[in-house]
Amino acid sequence: AQTVTQSQPEMSVQEAETVTLSCTYDTSESDYYLFWYKQPPSRQMILVIRQEAYKQQNATENRFSVNFQKAAKSFSLKISDSQLGDAAMYFCAYPRNTGNQFYFGTGTSLTVIP
Amino acid sequence: DSGVTQTPKHLITATGQRVTLRCSPRSGDLSVYWYQQSLDQGLQFLIQYYNGEERAKGNILERFSAQQFPDLHSELNLSSLELGDSALYFCASSVGGLASEQYFGPGTRLTVT
Repeated sequence: AQTVTQSQPEMSVQEAETVTLSCTYDTSESDYYLFWYKQPPSRQMILVIRQEAYKQQNATENRFSVNFQKAAKSFSLKISDSQLGDAAMYFCAYPRNTGNQFYFGTGTSLTVIP
Repeated sequence: DSGVTQTPKHLITATGQRVTLRCSPRSGDLSVYWYQQSLDQGLQFLIQYYNGEERAKGNILERFSAQQFPDLHSELNLSSLELGDSALYFCASSVGGLASEQYFGPGTRLTVT
């Protein structure tokens, strides 16, 4: 069975500093995609970044980047120059190949300290 | 704004009742997904529709059902409601392929009293 694990229930970072959120997953697939979603206090789910497993290069979106280690089945999210607006729950998600429905991790609550 | 709309935003009802949640996907998206987010369960996939047909089922109770209409909007029906059904219900949509990002609606907050 495919699972997604986020081992850090809570993290904090000083404003302007860098933080890394961890995610590991379990799959028998060889080609797949991984996503990070952000859920601010408004509860809206917002796509942050996507990584394609067959690509060697780590995905980057402005201040957000991933550290994708396929052999280790690890998919970390790095947030650089943290801003107050980055405070949110962050969910790692893995889509099932059979239908694209997502398995979500349990989330990491990120606090940004001014 | 993701382009996915959900109504109503909030719903308060009593145990034993039935409610219908509505979702309109982004223009052009054929797939609709329903997820339940409760405090102790995280985000759980319920059901997926693709172009009007059921594609996959997850942890959906028999008391719950859904459908997708020809105009691609979807409804999630919850019946014989229990206190434990109180949760945030999200609809998401995607183009439909395996690599497709899912775009989430704002959710419907259901409170069962």
